[in-house]
Amino acid sequence: KAGVTQTPRYLIKTRGQQVTLSCSPISGHRSVSWYQQTPGQGLQFLFEYFSETQRNKGNFPGRFSGRQFSNSRSEMNVSTLELGDSALYLCASSLRSPGRQLDYGYTFGSGTRLTVV
Amino acid sequence: DAKTTQPNSMESNEEEPVHLPCNHSTISGTDYIHWYRQLPSQGPEYVIHGLTSNVNNRMASLAIAEDRKSSTLILHRATLRDAAVYYCILRRSSNTGKLIFGQGTTLQVKP
Repeated sequence: KAGVTQTPRYLIKTRGQQVTLSCSPISGHRSVSWYQQTPGQGLQFLFEYFSETQRNKGNFPGRFSGRQFSNSRSEMNVSTLELGDSALYLCASSLRSPGRQLDYGYTFGSGTRLTVV
Repeated sequence: DAKTTQPNSMESNEEEPVHLPCNHSTISGTDYIHWYRQLPSQGPEYVIHGLTSNVNNRMASLAIAEDRKSSTLILHRATLRDAAVYYCILRRSSNTGKLIFGQGTTLQVKP
């Protein structure tokens, strides 16, 4: 079956611009999470969505936002880009349901490499 | 969130078994133990997870200590493609979907 698809794979933006990244989860997965990966900070959690609702948010400024659609596809948006936002942005999906005890693994996409100049 | 401790790096020879350790002395009863690996220029890849009992899948085995304060990821026959950063993560399943990644163990596989 198809994996987690992230588009675009690479993006170059200028400081001050905004960017929207897209993630299509594995069919049937309703839980979608986003992560930022940089050489200095490693992998950091951005937010999680389930059934079109944000369930949890990491420690990032309000310039980082996201949403999930009824088909579980998700987008994240970064406004007023800064040089420090240059990173690999990863999306992950899972069969996990909030509040349920049973746990599942996450499948990650290949990421979107964002470069801010 | 409970923390895990892993060695920074390990080496293995190709076609030999590899045992990657992880300490998690503050684990709680509802924390699942997850393992992911990340190959260069790729997103993390799910390897295995478990709660109390040892687990096996096509990729690896997970051995969990009886007191659950440590676990070991076992790759039965290392290949060059297994060279990656391996992350051991604790996750409270009833909590958020957040995975907290540490620095992980960089595994080098020598031919």
